[in-house]
Order: sequence, then C-alpha cells, then structure tokens
Amino acid sequence: DQQVKQNSPSLSVQEGRISILNCDYTNSMFDYFLWYKKYPAEGPTFLISISSIKDKNEDGRFTVFLNKSAKHLSLHIVPSQPGDSAVYFCAAKDAGGTSYGKLTFGQGTILTVHP
Amino acid sequence: AAGVIQSPRHLIKEKRETATLKCYPIPRHDTVYWYQQGPGQDPQFLISFYEKMQSDKGSIPDRFSAQQFSDYHSELNMSSLELGDSALYFCASSEESRKSYNEQFFGPGTRLTVL
Repeated sequence: DQQVKQNSPSLSVQEGRISILNCDYTNSMFDYFLWYKKYPAEGPTFLISISSIKDKNEDGRFTVFLNKSAKHLSLHIVPSQPGDSAVYFCAAKDAGGTSYGKLTFGQGTILTVHP
Repeated sequence: AAGVIQSPRHLIKEKRETATLKCYPIPRHDTVYWYQQGPGQDPQFLISFYEKMQSDKGSIPDRFSAQQFSDYHSELNMSSLELGDSALYFCASSEESRKSYNEQFFGPGTRLTVL
C-alpha cells in the first residue's frame, strides 16, 4: 500500500525553465511533508519541507505547495540548473500516535535538466 | 559541518552469514532511524531509536535487530542473510524527535550485497 505516490518516474527540463515535481498521499494523518534530493551513491539530502498548516513554503529557487483537500503537494524549481539533476523523493511524516518521526517515502522522480 | 557517518560503505556477504552495520549520528542528535532501499525502490523505514530506546518499528524482519548505545551510535545486526537483503541501508538522525517538525539527516548508506 503506497501511501505516498510520485506518479512520474522521470522528468526532463531545459536549463532555466521551471521543474515541477508532483506528489500525492493517501494518509490523512500525515501532517509534515519533506522533499529530499538524492545523487547516486549518496544518501538523501534534505531540500525543503512544509507543515500541514501552510500551503506554501519558499526557499531560494525551491517552492513547495501543499493542497490538503486534494492530498497533493508539488515542488517547483525555478530556474532549473543542470546541477539539479538527481532523484527527488517526496516524504511524509505522521506526527501522531506511535509513528512520530518515521518518514514514508514516494517512489522518487528522476529529474534531468539539460543545458 | 559534521554529517551522519555509516560504516562500512560496502559489504559483501554470503547467504546465511551475519552482518553488522554501524551509524554515527550528527553530534547532539538523539534519534536514529534505519531505512532499507531495494533496487529501484523507495526507502522503507525499518526501526528507530530515541534516547537509546526503540521508538518505532517498521517492516524489519525478525532476523534483524538493532540498538542505540550510550554514545548515541546505532548498530543494525542482520543474521541468516538472504539474497533479498541486498540493498542500500540508510541511517538518518534528528534532534528531539518528539517535536513534530524536524528534519532527518541521512548518511551516505551502506550497500549490502548478499551472494
């Protein structure tokens, strides 16, 4: 049962344009969402997060949007750079019950930014 | 800045052997998480420890055990290894996980290959 879904396995974007990565979730107990970036042979690197009480969080070129009613979030990268090419994981956290802390990941989206 | 350290980075074992993976969290981080990422899959939560006590348990086989020591480092012990245990094993650490909104910082991972 995939509670966090990234339906696009890959995305190809031209340098300087916007990259939009999407993520859907099914567990309404999730209340904190994170995006991680992963290069081959490295661990995931934290990018940006958003709590469920917000609908937008911005950090430099990265903006995360959350639509709670649709159980959907997206990561926007503007402008995209070749160094952004990596696998992007969406992750969610359930702060209630006994599952505080653990992250549930999506399947990842491979972003390729062409010069 | 200090990051999460995992050792070894690579490990090759044969079926039915045992393996021990080690994780050294970021200084002052009191919580450690273990994740398993199979080929082409998203990271799956195995187990976590807060202040040296098990705090949550995910899809960890009974053949695996883990603990967090007084210096907060953690070890994942794997026995009766099977071919399907071949994966990347990530350790992540965070500070005061009882606060809902805290990022997990990941180590580079240990690649376990079972022959």
